[in-house]
Amino acid sequence: QQQVKQSPQSLIVQKGGISIINCAYENTAFDYFPWYQQFPGKGPALLIAIRPDVSEKKEGRFTISFNKSAKQFSLHIMDSQPGDSATYFCAASGGQAFGNEKLTFGTGTRLTIIP
Amino acid sequence: SAVISQKPSRDICQRGTSLTIQCQVDSQVTMMFWYRQQPGQSLTLIATANQGSEATYESGFVIDKFPISRPNLTFSTLTVSNMSPEDSSIYLCSAGTSAGTEAFFGQGTRLTVV
Repeated sequence: QQQVKQSPQSLIVQKGGISIINCAYENTAFDYFPWYQQFPGKGPALLIAIRPDVSEKKEGRFTISFNKSAKQFSLHIMDSQPGDSATYFCAASGGQAFGNEKLTFGTGTRLTIIP
Repeated sequence: SAVISQKPSRDICQRGTSLTIQCQVDSQVTMMFWYRQQPGQSLTLIATANQGSEATYESGFVIDKFPISRPNLTFSTLTVSNMSPEDSSIYLCSAGTSAGTEAFFGQGTRLTVV
């Protein structure tokens, strides 16, 4: 599988701060970039996703920034809350019918929001 | 959205035995995917299960070890055969919506081999 590199491995952010997680990919055929949130004992849940025809997508406190030329994308969590404490995975897939294409996952970031 | 149910949610098995994990989707889906997530690690795709054809396995995974069935558009099973402690992982089932806009995951099966 083509790699998706994710950093940092773990992140501690104070409540109200901005959490930033970065990912980089190699395969230029990737055209869909979702972020998943996973709580202990649960399966990953889709948080937000972007296609490379836009450079940024925002949903509530969550923003994806996408740099096609650098083959990088990042997740920004504004006003981070203790309930955001979870493991976050970036992922990538190729093909128009996303959901019917396999995902390549990053290595994950364990985010902890402290009061 | 789709709801994916996996059974069992967890199991402790003896080495050398086999375990079959069931995945049920509440709507018809074209493809289903099986992932493995080792403790504290990322998700690695085992295979893609397309209804009516043989599953497609990723490098490092073979049908004899991880046989998969896909008898209809809402159900799939993954068997972990001849288990060893190295097979202790969380196994996750995933499927896409018919609109192709999102991949959903089951809650996972936590397998411990002793």
